[in-house]
Amino acid sequence: DTGVSQDPRHKITKRGQNVTFRCDPISEHNRLYWYRQTLGQGPEFLTYFQNEAQLEKSRLLSDRFSAERPKGSFSTLEIQRTEQGDSAMYLCASSLAEYRDFEETQYFGPGTRLLVL
Amino acid sequence: ILNVEQSPQSLHVQEGDSTNFTCSFPSSNFYALHWYRWETAKSPEALFVMTLNGDEKKKGRISATLNTKEGYSYLYIKGSQPEDSATYLCAFRADSWGKLQFGAGTQVVVTP
Repeated sequence: DTGVSQDPRHKITKRGQNVTFRCDPISEHNRLYWYRQTLGQGPEFLTYFQNEAQLEKSRLLSDRFSAERPKGSFSTLEIQRTEQGDSAMYLCASSLAEYRDFEETQYFGPGTRLLVL
Repeated sequence: ILNVEQSPQSLHVQEGDSTNFTCSFPSSNFYALHWYRWETAKSPEALFVMTLNGDEKKKGRISATLNTKEGYSYLYIKGSQPEDSATYLCAFRADSWGKLQFGAGTQVVVTP
């Protein structure tokens, strides 16, 4: 078990470009979460999947953001027409849990740091 | 309290000293309180998941307590070592589906 992996680890892009990040969860984990951390803040929830179904999206996730988890395995997060305010660390986490599982532990990847120039 | 708050924001500790810091969270709709340790350039590492009022959990030299009625948790580090240097995040869960609300973290620097 190699843990949660994310690719790329760093991304520099110009304003207006599209970017896509990938997250590979721990094998057989049914839940996958995306969070975003900006400087001086804790991670903020963006969206989450139960298997391949996207069950909740934060109001932080504007129309320029889209996430997918085809076949309930890896997930991608795409940002279209990037803005300087999108610069942040994007974290992915996975877990193996059922509804109302109080002891659920989310295991995090190392994150993708995005810088929009 | 509507948000998750951690204090202090940062602290410096001499090697061998013990320290503790606080996480405050909403006292309603409580499901769980998580603690993570996040070292630079690494993944956040899960330390504890605490669910019951009065819970005390321990992992090596690190321990945590939980008071859900008043909405706070303490994390303790006994005999700090340089490898304990990290940002410690707490996260509150008020949702049956697992979404976490994080504090901004306490950055701990242990100097030899």
